[in-house]
Amino acid sequence: GDSVTQTEGLVTLTEGLPVKLNCTYQTAYSDVAFFWYVQHLNEAPKLLLRSSTDNKRTEHQGFHATLHKSSSSFHLQKSSVQLSDSALYFCALSGHNTNTGKLTFGDGTVLTVKP
Amino acid sequence: DAGVTQTPRHEVAEKGQTIILKCEPVSGHNDLFWYRQTKIQGLELLSYFRSKSLMEDGGAFKDRFKAEMLNSSFSTLKIQPTEPKDSAVYLCASSLGTGKNTLYFGAGTRLSVL
Repeated sequence: GDSVTQTEGLVTLTEGLPVKLNCTYQTAYSDVAFFWYVQHLNEAPKLLLRSSTDNKRTEHQGFHATLHKSSSSFHLQKSSVQLSDSALYFCALSGHNTNTGKLTFGDGTVLTVKP
Repeated sequence: DAGVTQTPRHEVAEKGQTIILKCEPVSGHNDLFWYRQTKIQGLELLSYFRSKSLMEDGGAFKDRFKAEMLNSSFSTLKIQPTEPKDSAVYLCASSLGTGKNTLYFGAGTRLSVL
């Protein structure tokens, strides 16, 4: 089956520094879509980025990610983190489930930004 | 547009009690999901409905967890009987129903079982 791996469970950074949250995946299907969700404390997870096009950069709210099928990755990056970016970030894949809304989620990365 | 609405936001139960969590999906969405969220396990799929039909019922959760979708705009998750290990955040999410559509989440119900 499909799988998504987020290698960092916890990332702590000082405000203003760049961040990269890793996301790699395994799927036997070529028609895939990828998502990054962000969940602030006591709030609902919300879509941050979505992509299904290989080698195309996707941006939203200062974050960006590029799907690289050659390396099975969809890493999330931001050039300068803010205190408000402190949250839980999930990477998700829709692989063989492309006919449904069902996603395969990574375990999540908690990003803590300090002043 | 109204998002996914979950009630209650917080629930405290004694061990052995029956609790019912409620979810109203985004209007017009065909897929509805119930997830359990914990720090250790992350997001675990409990149930998946498509057009009110149960498509998947998480194997490990079958014995005490029962989700129902009585109509396209309302779903419940019953836990009977509750155990302390059920303490977690329960998230409901909905989607139009293709993999490239966005999954919309509710704010969740935080369950504490004493």
